[in-house]
Amino acid sequence: DQQVKQNSPSLSVQEGRISILNCDYTNSMFDYFLWYKKYPAEGPTFLISISSIKDKNEDGRFTVFLNKSAKHLSLHIVPSQPGDSAVYFCAASFGNAGGTSYGKLTFGQGTILTVHP
Amino acid sequence: DTGVSQNPRHKITKRGQNVTFRCDPISEHNRLYWYRQTLGQGPEFLTYFQNEAQLEKSRLLSDRFSAERPKGSFSTLEIQRTEQGDSAMYLCASSLSRGWPDGYTFGSGTRLTVV
Repeated sequence: DQQVKQNSPSLSVQEGRISILNCDYTNSMFDYFLWYKKYPAEGPTFLISISSIKDKNEDGRFTVFLNKSAKHLSLHIVPSQPGDSAVYFCAASFGNAGGTSYGKLTFGQGTILTVHP
Repeated sequence: DTGVSQNPRHKITKRGQNVTFRCDPISEHNRLYWYRQTLGQGPEFLTYFQNEAQLEKSRLLSDRFSAERPKGSFSTLEIQRTEQGDSAMYLCASSLSRGWPDGYTFGSGTRLTVV
């Protein structure tokens, strides 16, 4: 069962515009969410995260929004740059109350973002 | 520290052969994770260690898979009697056990091709 889903396999945007990547989850026990960025032939690198006690977290051009009632999160990149072209994964984790599962991440399938100059 | 190191970067093997991958985590990280990523999918959790103890194994980790972290430093992942379905990118990551998983650092992975 896919507990974290990214339903858009790809997204294409123009440089300078906003990129919005979406992610849905099914397990209401998840309480920490992360976005990772992955270039070809490299491992995923951490981008931004959000705890379930918040609904927004911002870091420079990147903002993550969390809607717990809808079990939905999104990553906004403004303005988009060609160097942002990569695969973006959302991931979810249980907190300390999850016991030994803490730290284990459940990933979505990824969205390929292409930013055109 | 150069981050999480994985060797080899690529491995091609014949079906039925055994393969072993190595992961060297960031030195101060006490947790080490193995994930597998197939084409078009996100990384899937396989197992993780805290120091030398293997704390959790996924049901994806069949009896042909074994992982060790003998001295709480580097780890090895062995696949016995490889099958074509084992072809994937095998990713290792490390972190500290305290705090949120922002400090989760991935290696560049070992790409396994079973022919």
